[in-house]
Amino acid sequence: NAGVTQTPKFQVLKTGQSMTLQCAQDMNHNSMYWYRQDPGMGLRLIYYSASEGTTDKGEVPNGYNVSRLNKREFSLRLESAAPSQTSVYFCASRTGGGLDVKFFGPGTRLTVL
Amino acid sequence: AQSVTQLGSHVSVSEGALVLLRCNYSSSVPPYLFWYVQYPNQGLQLLLKYTSAATLVKGINDFEAEFKKSETSFHLTKPSAHMSDAAEYFCAVNNNDMRFGAGTRLTVKP
Repeated sequence: NAGVTQTPKFQVLKTGQSMTLQCAQDMNHNSMYWYRQDPGMGLRLIYYSASEGTTDKGEVPNGYNVSRLNKREFSLRLESAAPSQTSVYFCASRTGGGLDVKFFGPGTRLTVL
Repeated sequence: AQSVTQLGSHVSVSEGALVLLRCNYSSSVPPYLFWYVQYPNQGLQLLLKYTSAATLVKGINDFEAEFKKSETSFHLTKPSAHMSDAAEYFCAVNNNDMRFGAGTRLTVKP
């Protein structure tokens, strides 16, 4: 099992450019999440998907869109990147039961110039 | 609304000393509480969780945390710090969605 994988690991964008962060899990988990991590602010939920075909906004959804392509994959898209979106992005997944988000990906470090 | 506050963004201890990382929560309903650890350039790993069973919860690597409703606290402790414990630690509360604290960076001095 690879667990939760994310691509790319690093990315530098110019303001206004678009990009998609990819996330995949091979654990047959129902729920998947996108967080951003900023210094002194912990992790904040951007979007989540409770099951294939559904997505919901989290705490900080503005400027982002998501797609739950299938049960394995959950992508995060920045349509027009802004410097405020410079952050480390983590994807996570969990099974349907229980309340803990157990499995995190290694993160994508994004810089927007 | 639910939230957690971690007291102290940086904690430094000597190897072999007690580790105490503080977390206070706010929740309108009985909370589910978690501690996660993040090593450099890695994602978060679950250390332990409280889900309304025993108030003293034991986790991996000899970490434990005690849920104290009267103090709305869920502090993380370890009797004897090891160099490998140096990392960032996050407290989190989860009812409908998970909210994380700002994190505490633990440094262990030789």
